[in-house]
Amino acid sequence: GDSVTQMEGPVTLSEEAFLTINCTYTATGYPSLFWYVQYPGEGLQLLLKATKADDKGSNKGFEATYRKETTSFHLEKGSVQVSDSAVYFCALSIPNSGNEKLTFGTGTRLTIIP
Amino acid sequence: DVKVTQSSRYLVKRTGEKVFLECVQDMDHENMFWYRQDPGLGLRLIYFSYDVKMKEKGDIPEGYSVSREKKERFSLILESASTNQTSMYLCAIKRDLNSGTQYFGPGTRLLVL
Repeated sequence: GDSVTQMEGPVTLSEEAFLTINCTYTATGYPSLFWYVQYPGEGLQLLLKATKADDKGSNKGFEATYRKETTSFHLEKGSVQVSDSAVYFCALSIPNSGNEKLTFGTGTRLTIIP
Repeated sequence: DVKVTQSSRYLVKRTGEKVFLECVQDMDHENMFWYRQDPGLGLRLIYFSYDVKMKEKGDIPEGYSVSREKKERFSLILESASTNQTSMYLCAIKRDLNSGTQYFGPGTRLLVL
């Protein structure tokens, strides 16, 4: 079945450090790929997405590129801030599958220290 | 903006109680979902619905049922709560038929004693 594997956490970085959170996937079809973020005490928010190979999703300084050859969608940010502290989830869905569900990774908790 | 509300942020129930978790959307979206979130497991789909009175099992439906009598409301029911159902429950809606993007409510943290 479809699955998402993402970097184990927790991850702790200093402010202004470079961030990479790895995500790889296994899918039977041609998935759309997502990064969601969950701030403390809140539900999930869509951070960015990409729907086809070589697409780059970006938002709030975060970027991820859909790499079909390596089945990856790694999340990056050049200079993190304390406000980026949250749990990050990589996810996929298969368009037109009749199921429409999101398959999530286990989440990566990120803590940024001043 | 899409608005998804859940009836409670925190709930404490006793083993064996019947528990209702409600999710309400403010637009005419057809697809609604219930997930549970557990540390180290991510989010797992319990049930989803693609229209009024229509429902489909997700990956972990055991011990749960759902009800969708009106388009805007999707209820998750724990027929007889057990301690292993202590979790965070998240409702989501899917707005765009051509996109997998889902929009989530704030979640209900349920503790079963």
